Amino acid sequence: QLQLQESGSGLVKPSQTLSLTCAVSGGSISSGGYSWSWIRQPPGKGLEWIGYIYHSGSTYYNPSLKSRVTISVDRSKNQFSLKLSSVTAADTAVYYCARVGGFGELFKAFDYWGQGTLVTVSS
Amino acid sequence: DIVMTQTPLSSPVTLGQPASISCRSSQSLVHSDGNTYLSWLQQRPGQPPRLLIYKISNRFSGVPDRFSGSGAGTDFTLKISRVEAEDVGVYYCMQATQFPPSFGQGTKLEIK
Repeated sequence: QLQLQESGSGLVKPSQTLSLTCAVSGGSISSGGYSWSWIRQPPGKGLEWIGYIYHSGSTYYNPSLKSRVTISVDRSKNQFSLKLSSVTAADTAVYYCARVGGFGELFKAFDYWGQGTLVTVSS
Repeated sequence: DIVMTQTPLSSPVTLGQPASISCRSSQSLVHSDGNTYLSWLQQRPGQPPRLLIYKISNRFSGVPDRFSGSGAGTDFTLKISRVEAEDVGVYYCMQATQFPPSFGQGTKLEIK
């Protein structure tokens, strides 16, 4: 069974960079042609898509966050990462990582999600 | 960007009774490849979202058959034939047809 687990700094100061990692277990991040994504959810609010990293290594970001976001993959560690720079209180949220179908029946479906990690931006 | 609008935002339902949630997109969700990438997600209290339905009407692995999806173009519906206590939570529709992917604002399903 595929599992995803987020980890990283839970408290970040304003103007600094948020850094999170999503460790994938039960399957290889390099196989199956999947894409990998980050999504966030401010406390008590809805879901916001942050970005993808495709199997090819190409990245696509939400235009509203594009200037501040970097998603990368470390295939040797079977994990992918999120960096969000110049954070403010508005970036306080639970951050989720997810797998996205890369082809076939589950193409574009966000089929497996991590448990999420709360990141608070505060001085 | 495509805006996803769900109704109702809150749905009190009696156990064993049906429930229905609507989702409307601001543009057609039919992709150039002919598919419609509309999914439904369930988020139980304190849990991450979970995929229920993909491409309008396909149930994901392990999803009970009391959940069903339908619709086309810009109008979609999630139905629960007989609500059980474990169905309490927030339901989101999501489109991945057009960049960037976007979510509805969520519908809270609660038991009367």
